[in-house]
Parts: sequence; C-alpha cells; structure tokens
Amino acid sequence: NAGVTQTPKFRVLKTGQSMTLLCAQDMNHEYMYWYRQDPGMGLRLIHYSVGEGTTAKGEVPDGYNVSRLKKQNFLLGLESAAPSQTSVYFCASSYLGGYNNQPQHFGDGTRLSIL
Amino acid sequence: RKEVEQDPGPFNVPEGATVAFNCTYSNSASQSFFWYRQDCRKEPKLLMSVYSSGNEDGRFTAQLNRASQYISLLIRDSKLSDSATYLCVVNMRANNLFFGTGTRLTVIP
Repeated sequence: NAGVTQTPKFRVLKTGQSMTLLCAQDMNHEYMYWYRQDPGMGLRLIHYSVGEGTTAKGEVPDGYNVSRLKKQNFLLGLESAAPSQTSVYFCASSYLGGYNNQPQHFGDGTRLSIL
Repeated sequence: RKEVEQDPGPFNVPEGATVAFNCTYSNSASQSFFWYRQDCRKEPKLLMSVYSSGNEDGRFTAQLNRASQYISLLIRDSKLSDSATYLCVVNMRANNLFFGTGTRLTVIP
C-alpha cells in the first residue's frame, strides 16, 4: 500500500535553476498539501488543494507554484531556486479538511539543497 | 501568541517512566486536535487524534482542555522506541492544520 509517494527523495540545485517536486497519493483523498520543514521552525504550509483543479496559498507561498491537474497528483514548482529554499519538503493528503477531524498522511519527504 | 506552542524539551527519561507533554493553541474555535510523532529524518506520522472526552491508546493518553486551550499527551511505561519528536497539531482556519515545533523525547536505558 503506497500511500503518499514523493519524488525525488534528494536534489541539489544551483541558484536560479528550476525544478518540480511530484507528490502522488493512491488513497483517493480530496485534499493535498505541501509543507516545508526547517530546523526550529516546524512544518509550514506552502500551498494546498481542496480538490482536482484547485489550489490555494498557505503560510509561505512566495517563490513556489503548484498544480493539481489530476486528483492523485500535486506538483510543487520552484521557478528560480534560492538558497533560502533549502529545506525538507513534505507532501500530505487527507480525505477531508482539518476542520472535519481528518488527519493528514505524509510522504517521506524531499531533501532539497540550493547552492 | 503562536498558533500552537510546545515545550521543545528535550525530555530525557528512563525506561519505564511516565512523561507528559502539553501544548497550547491560540484559536478558541479550533475543532480538530492530533498528536503526531516524527523520528529523526523521517516524515510525521499520526500517533492519535484527541477527542473532547479524552482518549487512550495503549500506553498513550490524550486530553483536551478547551477552557484553557491546551492538549496533553501522557506516555506511561516509556520504551526506548518512544524516543522521537512529538508534534502537537491543531486546525486553525477551516481546512488547514497547524503543527507545533515539537517536543523531543529521549528514553534512556
């Protein structure tokens, strides 16, 4: 049972390069999320989606774009990577939103370093 | 006030000890509460939901105090495998969950 799968697991980029992180879930969840986790900061929400074709900004959206063309996939893009975007990125999904006491299920993360 | 606040620890306890963590949250309208655990360099994993009447799952007990806006996690008979960071999670605005920065627990043989 795959759950939430993130690719790639690791990546090193140079400043100014672009890349896309892919998140796929096989649980038929409506909601999907992208977080970043930095030391001492906890998880911070970048963007989220409440269904296919929808996206919304989270707490720290600047420098990132997302797309949800298919229900099972949620893509996170960095158009022009900056060293401040060095972080561990987690994707999560849930059947319904947080208000409905629905927990989120996480992928195992992408470690991204920007030089 | 931060949305979700936890004592970062670390808590270093011997095997078999009982340890408790507290977490405070800022939004009195919050409806959903969870405890997650996160092992070093791993993803967060759901430990348990927290219900209004309190709930127990084996050695773990979670409590919610809406009046004082805090939740707690009690771990009895600590095991070495309980060593991890425990994240307090609360819904703040409708569909979004806010994660505390975590409390680090180390269980010592």
